[in-house]
Amino acid sequence: GAGVSQSPSNKVTEKGKDVELRCDPISGHTALYWYRQSLGQGLEFLIYFQGNSAPDKSGLPSDRFSAERTGGSVSTLTIQRTQQEDSAVYLCASSLIMGVVFGPGTRLTVL
Amino acid sequence: AQKITQTQPGMFVQEKEAVTLDCTYDTSDPSYGLFWYKQPSSGEMIFLIYQGSYDQQNATEGRYSLNFQKARKSANLVISASQLGDSAMYFCAMREPPDKLIFGTGTRLQVFP
Repeated sequence: GAGVSQSPSNKVTEKGKDVELRCDPISGHTALYWYRQSLGQGLEFLIYFQGNSAPDKSGLPSDRFSAERTGGSVSTLTIQRTQQEDSAVYLCASSLIMGVVFGPGTRLTVL
Repeated sequence: AQKITQTQPGMFVQEKEAVTLDCTYDTSDPSYGLFWYKQPSSGEMIFLIYQGSYDQQNATEGRYSLNFQKARKSANLVISASQLGDSAMYFCAMREPPDKLIFGTGTRLQVFP
């Protein structure tokens, strides 16, 4: 596709359940980023992948969060045992050299 | 330590006037890039402008220009001839090697008639 896509666009889950958020980057983009944005707040860096290098996981808030990127393309962010404070918009972005393009985000609500 | 600092949580500007949104950054790497994004109430992140650390001239994109002062480590966004549709959150970001992209806390701009 022409842009970064994310699915689902909205996810409502119960506290304690696991969720998976998917990101399809722009084809050929080697870098992929995940951010979290709570209501009215800035973008909190979570993790990024660059080519075949080991991902930078320094922003993951706890061991309940993990992410993988298969075949250098699609990425999945997994949150285990969700908590109410995990409620936020999760944004994915991809980049080749200069431009960093964002997806529309997944709004996660944990009840 | 904050890598990207936006000191203005909110700004107001009258339509057709120019406005400057401040951004300072902190890095010891000589190679880095600076970005500005606009986030309207719809939530999408819209890329506005980019400045590379080695670029000799200030970046411009239409009504947007970046006032890059390397020695001061500032990268302020200037919006000329403000329009009502410019009302949004504006985020400054820095990318430093290998490729980590860090954002500031944002500035909410409101344009009034």
